[in-house]
Amino acid sequence: GENVEQHPSTLSVQEGDSAVIKCTYSDSASNYFPWYKQELGKGPQLIIDIRSNVGEKKDQRIAVTLNKTAKHFSLHITETQPEDSAVYFCAASLSSGGYNKLIFGAGTRLAVHP
Amino acid sequence: DAGITQSPRHKVTETGTPVTLRCHQTENHRYMYWYRQDPGHGLRLIHYSYGVKDTDKGEVSDGYSVSRSKTEDFLLTLESATSSQTSVYFCAISPDKSSTDTQYFGPGTRLTVL
Repeated sequence: GENVEQHPSTLSVQEGDSAVIKCTYSDSASNYFPWYKQELGKGPQLIIDIRSNVGEKKDQRIAVTLNKTAKHFSLHITETQPEDSAVYFCAASLSSGGYNKLIFGAGTRLAVHP
Repeated sequence: DAGITQSPRHKVTETGTPVTLRCHQTENHRYMYWYRQDPGHGLRLIHYSYGVKDTDKGEVSDGYSVSRSKTEDFLLTLESATSSQTSVYFCAISPDKSSTDTQYFGPGTRLTVL
């Protein structure tokens, strides 16, 4: 089955710096890759996603890149701010019996220091 | 929270007791999901539903059952709670007009089994 590995598990940056989180997936049939941000005590919030027919997608300070050949995708946050501090999860979607199953990475705890 | 509420938000129970968690949505989405979140494991799918009375198992379904008698409610039941079921439980929905892989999460229920 699909397996998603996420690195690093923790990341500490200074405010204004960039942060990059990387994920690899195992099943080449995966075709949808969302990223979620989870703040303490809250549910995961979808922040950006990319489908397999696109190599890069941007939304203000965040961007996601996808390399289908290498089976990895990354989240890039530029000009980080303290409110970006949270746990970030990547996921890969795989079709299974008419339903698209999401497999999640273990998460990255990002700390942005003022 | 995409119109999703979960109840209770926190629960402490004893081993061997039955527990039911409720997910309620206000927008008549067809697809609903239950996940559990544990440190180092990201989110793992327990069960999902693709309509009233239509449910199926996810990757960690042992010890759990679900029911969906109305579009708006998806119930998760632990018939006899065990300490290994101590976790944070999240409900999610997929909007009808989107692919089933785009999912939005509720606020979560923290369950402690003593």
